[in-house]
Amino acid sequence: KAGVTQTPRYLIKTRGQQVTLSCSPISGHRSVSWYQQTPGQGLQFLFEYFSETQRNKGNFPGRFSGRQFSNSRSEMNVSTLELGDSALYLCASSKDINSGNTIYFGEGSWLTVV
Amino acid sequence: KNQVEQSPQSLIILEGKNCTLQCNYTVSPFSNLRWYKQDTGRGPVSLTIMTFSENTKSNGRYTATLDADTKQSSLHITASQLSDSASYICVVSYNTNAGKSTFGDGTTLTVKP
Repeated sequence: KAGVTQTPRYLIKTRGQQVTLSCSPISGHRSVSWYQQTPGQGLQFLFEYFSETQRNKGNFPGRFSGRQFSNSRSEMNVSTLELGDSALYLCASSKDINSGNTIYFGEGSWLTVV
Repeated sequence: KNQVEQSPQSLIILEGKNCTLQCNYTVSPFSNLRWYKQDTGRGPVSLTIMTFSENTKSNGRYTATLDADTKQSSLHITASQLSDSASYICVVSYNTNAGKSTFGDGTTLTVKP
């Protein structure tokens, strides 16, 4: 079956702009989580959605937001982009919100802010 | 404060050799511990997941161990291959809720011919 699909794969934005990233989970998976990965910080948890509701949120400013649709697809948005937002943004899906489930990651969206 | 520390930060070994990566954590209460492999430019792939009652789990040439008393885990790679070159990330969950996890910074393994 198809894995976690993230779009776009690569994008370049200018400081001050906003960006929307999309994630389609594995069919049947209802939990979607988002992560930011930078060379200096490693993987940082952004937020998690289940049944269209945000269940957990990491320590990121309000410029980072997300949502989940009824078909479990999810989007994350970053407003007023800063140079430090340049990173690989990873989406992961699992069957439900229980951390005992295997989490499957997508290939990520590479965001460069110039 | 929940923390996950991995060592070494990077490691270079020759093809065919074995190696062991370490993960120490202070996460409490403990729910489960996972090891991921992340190839450069790709998303992480799950290798193993262990709960409190499990002390060893294997996935092919990868064997993870867990000592819940000392809060240590190791990932042993046997007969390394060039394709093992990647970053290995230890993740410890302190709640059954998937979002309650602490990530290690990873160990970068390079396997040379």
